[in-house]
Amino acid sequence: ELKVEQNPLFLSMQEGKNYTIYCNYSTTSDRLYWYRQDPGKSLESLFVLLSNGAVKQEGRLMASLDTKARLSTLHITAAVHDLSATYFCAENYGGSQGNLIFGKGTKLSVKP
Amino acid sequence: EAGVTQFPSHSVIEKGQTVTLRCDPISGHDNLYWYRRVMGKEIKFLLHFVKESKQDESGMPNNRFLAERTGGTYSTLKVQPAELEDSGVYFCASSHRGPARDTQYFGPGTRLTVL
Repeated sequence: ELKVEQNPLFLSMQEGKNYTIYCNYSTTSDRLYWYRQDPGKSLESLFVLLSNGAVKQEGRLMASLDTKARLSTLHITAAVHDLSATYFCAENYGGSQGNLIFGKGTKLSVKP
Repeated sequence: EAGVTQFPSHSVIEKGQTVTLRCDPISGHDNLYWYRRVMGKEIKFLLHFVKESKQDESGMPNNRFLAERTGGTYSTLKVQPAELEDSGVYFCASSHRGPARDTQYFGPGTRLTVL
């Protein structure tokens, strides 16, 4: 069964701290996505990781991809309250299908 | 540029009734996807349109669900008759023409509650 495992599912952090969200996937996918969702809002695309060793950074968030280990990480540096949201990783199952396989999401709460 | 829009944002219906959800993709996006998130579970793929054609409907749970995409523009997802287990948030996403694996842009979802 095609599966994407995220952990942790819930994360409560203090402002200023660092943490990493892990995403393990089951296929030989070469494309991994990270999305952010605020309550009641759309899923917002954060990163698209296209190849082994890819690293992308935007502000306090940095995502990486290791296709050999089938692992992606989302690292949060010096968290601030505005980062509180649910973060999803998703792999794009190859071929012409294009459908995304999602993890359950990590609900991040950053407290002052 | 307007994003993906969905209507309604919430729907509460009784078991056995019919509900139709609508999705308007980003203009010019040939690919349109429907996904669903049931409480506590992952967001799951339902189906994929390329223009007006169904490319992949392998995720549709059963024949109570009918999706259409008139003229390759907006799409509707009809549930008839609705069952309790159909409750969840239904997301629509679209992506640009070209390789089907381009970034998908999501709408805010329709929260469906079946009582």
